[in-house]
Amino acid sequence: DGGITQSPKYLFRKEGQNVTLSCEQNLNHDAMYWYRQDPGQGLRLIYYSQIVNDFQKGDIAEGYSVSREKKESFPLTVTSAQKNPTAFYLCASKGAPADEQFFGPGTRLTVL
Amino acid sequence: KNQVEQSPQSLIILEGKNCTLQCNYTVSPFSNLRWYKQDTGRGPVSLTIMTFSENTKSNGRYTATLDADTKQSSLHITASQLSDSASYICVAPDDKIIFGKGTRLHILP
Repeated sequence: DGGITQSPKYLFRKEGQNVTLSCEQNLNHDAMYWYRQDPGQGLRLIYYSQIVNDFQKGDIAEGYSVSREKKESFPLTVTSAQKNPTAFYLCASKGAPADEQFFGPGTRLTVL
Repeated sequence: KNQVEQSPQSLIILEGKNCTLQCNYTVSPFSNLRWYKQDTGRGPVSLTIMTFSENTKSNGRYTATLDADTKQSSLHITASQLSDSASYICVAPDDKIIFGKGTRLHILP
């Protein structure tokens, strides 16, 4: 069935290690997004991609990197430069501009 | 600066009661406004979308209203159930997508 998936659901890493979060969609959507959510806070945009091989920084891109080599995939790498990486990360995709965003189930990253 | 402000930040009501959540937006130009429900530890799910010409839209026990003149939207929940406990997020798109911080709703038995 169609949807957007993120893996893993929970991820633990040591401080100073890079880690890559997976996001895959089979909805044939052009646009994909990465958000970070902290307790009691709204979603903050990290990176977004409106088409394959193109992406733009969001509001809090520092310490993160992305790639968009395939339409279906938009992985997010949390680098050691991200000062406070522990958070809930949500990936979303969208078809036509006026369409709703579909969200994945999220990955909770904990850096020890 | 385009913004979406929600109130209250959190709300506690008894099961079976009604409640109304508020959203004020300054996004311009305005195309549509969405309400999402986010259960704890999960991704948001769309409840309803309001376009410029719509004043009211219902989805079961959820009714959204939009006043484009005052740039306000509300989400009314009727006969609340324990499963309504969640965060409710108001969203308005510009070239990115502007999210409100959400209202955390707790339904008590």
